[in-house]
Amino acid sequence: GAVVSQHPSRVICKSGTSVKIECRSLDFQATTMFWYRQFPKKSLMLMATSNEGSKATYEQGVEKDKFLINHASLTLSTLTVTSAHPEDSSFYICSATTTVNYGYTFGSGTRLTVV
Amino acid sequence: GDSVTQMEGPVTLSEEAFLTINCTYTATGYPSLFWYVQYPGEGLQLLLKATKADDKGSNKGFEATYRKETTSFHLEKGSVQVSDSAVYFCALSGDSGYALNFGKGTSLLVTP
Repeated sequence: GAVVSQHPSRVICKSGTSVKIECRSLDFQATTMFWYRQFPKKSLMLMATSNEGSKATYEQGVEKDKFLINHASLTLSTLTVTSAHPEDSSFYICSATTTVNYGYTFGSGTRLTVV
Repeated sequence: GDSVTQMEGPVTLSEEAFLTINCTYTATGYPSLFWYVQYPGEGLQLLLKATKADDKGSNKGFEATYRKETTSFHLEKGSVQVSDSAVYFCALSGDSGYALNFGKGTSLLVTP
């Protein structure tokens, strides 16, 4: 079945540094990638939608200059949290879908802790 | 806009009890409906889905029927196990290529 590999699973970084999270679709071409943020004991909040080769579409209230999304190929999308601050600490999850046999496959998530 | 409402948790059940987690939705058109499960510290796993009215999704003993007349997609399992303890999310999608719209999640704890 469709698999999305997300790395790293956990990362701790210092305030002011940047962190990159990668999501790779291993056995299918992901035409669209979604990035979510999940706060403790809360639902998933959609941050942005990215289509291969085009700029990401950000949801209202999400800072595009802080959360840089790149979807340069059909198998890789990255989320870079720039100048991270403690309030950016959260669980980030990617999801991929394909128009061939549409379904949503989720990565295993990244626990980001900014200290 | 589209939205999903699911019952608040936490839900605590004894092993072998019957489980129902209610989910209702509001949507234009004909959405697809999903149930996802999230174990602690992990991402989401698709549990089951239904793409049209009256479809029943089922997996691992869980079932949900897409009821257009009541705009519902309630999750049921006849006999829960301790290993079913997790957070369950109801979600809908309006169209291929659109992000899933999630409910707030229902935490389930099954005790021996």
